[in-house]
Amino acid sequence: DTGVSQDPRHKITKRGQNVTFRCDPISEHNRLYWYRQTLGQGPEFLTYFQNEAQLEKSRLLSDRFSAERPKGSFSTLEIQRTEQGDSAMYLCASSLGPPSRQGGTYGYTFGSGTRLTVV
Amino acid sequence: AQSVTQLGSHVSVSEGALVLLRCNYSSSVPPYLFWYVQYPNQGLQLLLKYTSAATLVKGINGFEAEFKKSETSFHLTKPSAHMSDAAEYFCAVRPGATGFQKLVFGTGTRLLVSP
Repeated sequence: DTGVSQDPRHKITKRGQNVTFRCDPISEHNRLYWYRQTLGQGPEFLTYFQNEAQLEKSRLLSDRFSAERPKGSFSTLEIQRTEQGDSAMYLCASSLGPPSRQGGTYGYTFGSGTRLTVV
Repeated sequence: AQSVTQLGSHVSVSEGALVLLRCNYSSSVPPYLFWYVQYPNQGLQLLLKYTSAATLVKGINGFEAEFKKSETSFHLTKPSAHMSDAAEYFCAVRPGATGFQKLVFGTGTRLLVSP
């Protein structure tokens, strides 16, 4: 396994268009996270999946955003009716539960991100 | 709730000099603390983590950090900077062994290394 993969690496879209990003986590990782990073800022949490269940969503995730993780494997993040303020790096990460192993050997592994530019 | 403050958005050092990047945290429960490095147009790579074992944590690339509960700090150090250390560094916190695993990041410190 080569780590967390994100596709595409870059996306330029016109305002009002819909975009979808994909994340393939490390295969044995049951937890998957989406973060957004704007210029000059640290990553901000968007949402979290344990297997196929979406367990938490940030208030940053407006109604235009939707994330899925069918079958608990890869995940998609869709943004509808994009706005210029959506321009950011979208980072995916995965980790391995259960709680007794949190923060131990595994921790988070991040992908290289998808950079979205809305023009 | 957890939060992280990174003092200094930019730190400049000469090659071979000591690197010190500051991080202070706030947490209502015993925290886990992390340092990540990010190179341009890349994702985040874990440098080291504190998970309630030894307070002095050694990471990759010669970096280390010390957890000081009394000072609520987790500063990152490296004895001798290398040109390849130039990057953005993020400190992050999350609740310890129990609780939701969301990482809360600081705003980052850009390390500049001059010859």
